[in-house]
Amino acid sequence: NAGVTQTPKFQVLKTGQSMTLQCAQDMNHEYMSWYRQDPGMGLRLIHYSVGAGITDQGEVPNGYNVSRSTTEDFPLRLLSAAPSQTSVYFCATRNGEGVGYTFGSGTRLTVV
Amino acid sequence: EDQVTQSPEALRLQEGESSSLNCSYTVSGLRGLFWYRQDPGKGPEFLFTLYSAGEEKEKERLKATLTKKESFLHITAPKPEDSATYLCAVQTSGGSYIPTFGRGTSLIVHP
Repeated sequence: NAGVTQTPKFQVLKTGQSMTLQCAQDMNHEYMSWYRQDPGMGLRLIHYSVGAGITDQGEVPNGYNVSRSTTEDFPLRLLSAAPSQTSVYFCATRNGEGVGYTFGSGTRLTVV
Repeated sequence: EDQVTQSPEALRLQEGESSSLNCSYTVSGLRGLFWYRQDPGKGPEFLFTLYSAGEEKEKERLKATLTKKESFLHITAPKPEDSATYLCAVQTSGGSYIPTFGRGTSLIVHP
């Protein structure tokens, strides 16, 4: 039982490149979400999904794309990386409403 | 707009020196208040959920309490291994139950 697995752990991109951050969970949680964490800003929601085939935008969705074809996977796509997207990205899942999240270990992304 | 404010931003304690972290919130229709612990380079780890004023939860040296306007995380006789950033989040009953996170309190416990 791995919980929430994020890959890669570290990534350096050049401005304009695209990439996909992977998130996989083995807990059969319906709710999955992506956050970015920046110094002094706290955790900010990028996109979330309440089940396979359903996604919605969070607080800071611009420049990011998501899809949810299975319960297990929720990839985050950076369409054209910008230095402002340098951050630590966390995938988080939960089993229902009013309960706490299970977070992945994060992906540290640097855009140069 | 929902707001969550954590104080202090940083706290340094000596081992055994008890203290409290504060999480004040302004939301309409609180559904749950969550506390997380985050170690450097790792994702947040869930600690507690509090649902209603007067509720308390305990885990080892940590005790979380909730009023109608704020929550406290009391740390009794802390040890160096309690050093971490502690995050608070609130979830309201409207919309899609998306929690709002505070910016955290960085706790360092010196031996």
